[in-house]
Amino acid sequence: DIQMTQSPSSLSASVGDRVTITCRASQSISNYVNWYQQKTGKAPKLLIYAASSLQSGVPARFSGSGSGTDFTLTINSLQPEDFSTYYCQQSYSIRYTFGQGTKLEIK
Amino acid sequence: EVQLVESGGGLVQPGGSLKLSCAASGFTFSSNWMSWVRQAPGKGLEWVANIKQDGSEKYYVDSVKGRFTISRDNAKNSLYLQMDSLRAEDTAVYYCARAFYKWNYHLDCWGQGTLVTVSS
Repeated sequence: DIQMTQSPSSLSASVGDRVTITCRASQSISNYVNWYQQKTGKAPKLLIYAASSLQSGVPARFSGSGSGTDFTLTINSLQPEDFSTYYCQQSYSIRYTFGQGTKLEIK
Repeated sequence: EVQLVESGGGLVQPGGSLKLSCAASGFTFSSNWMSWVRQAPGKGLEWVANIKQDGSEKYYVDSVKGRFTISRDNAKNSLYLQMDSLRAEDTAVYYCARAFYKWNYHLDCWGQGTLVTVSS
């Protein structure tokens, strides 16, 4: 199975900051990476698909990049509602796998 | 509005069985791959199973293979997860999700989740 390794596992930042979360795949997966946001007690929400495409309705301060094995999620100008947990996920293999998550906390 | 609503969760003893359901509305259910994803208390997301549009292909995470069965009824717009030989480590919130294809497959719509607790 394809392993997805996210870093960091937790991150402290302030409103207005720019943050970057990284995900590394155990093999090359082209651009078959998606990013999700999950707030406590809620279902995950799709933010970015195919590495860099913004899901409809998601603010433009969210962006994704990468190809092959290394991928990043960037959030520009953090807003209070962005403090959540973020997951990457690969769909290169039909046996999907998720990263372990990055918890973004207020500094 | 695209909507997924899970049901069927609850408390079950180790070794027992439970069947989860997911009712879909607002889209052509029979045109989409569907997935089950779970989340143990305080842990991350874990993909559990996928099923093709017509049910002809099914895939599972190794830890549930031989114990869980994913199925669907396109006439009823419903997805199912039959869980047998349940273990304590299967305790989790179970989500159904639609796998939408545009450039790649991504889980663009999720249910609210249903909690399964395996305990004596």
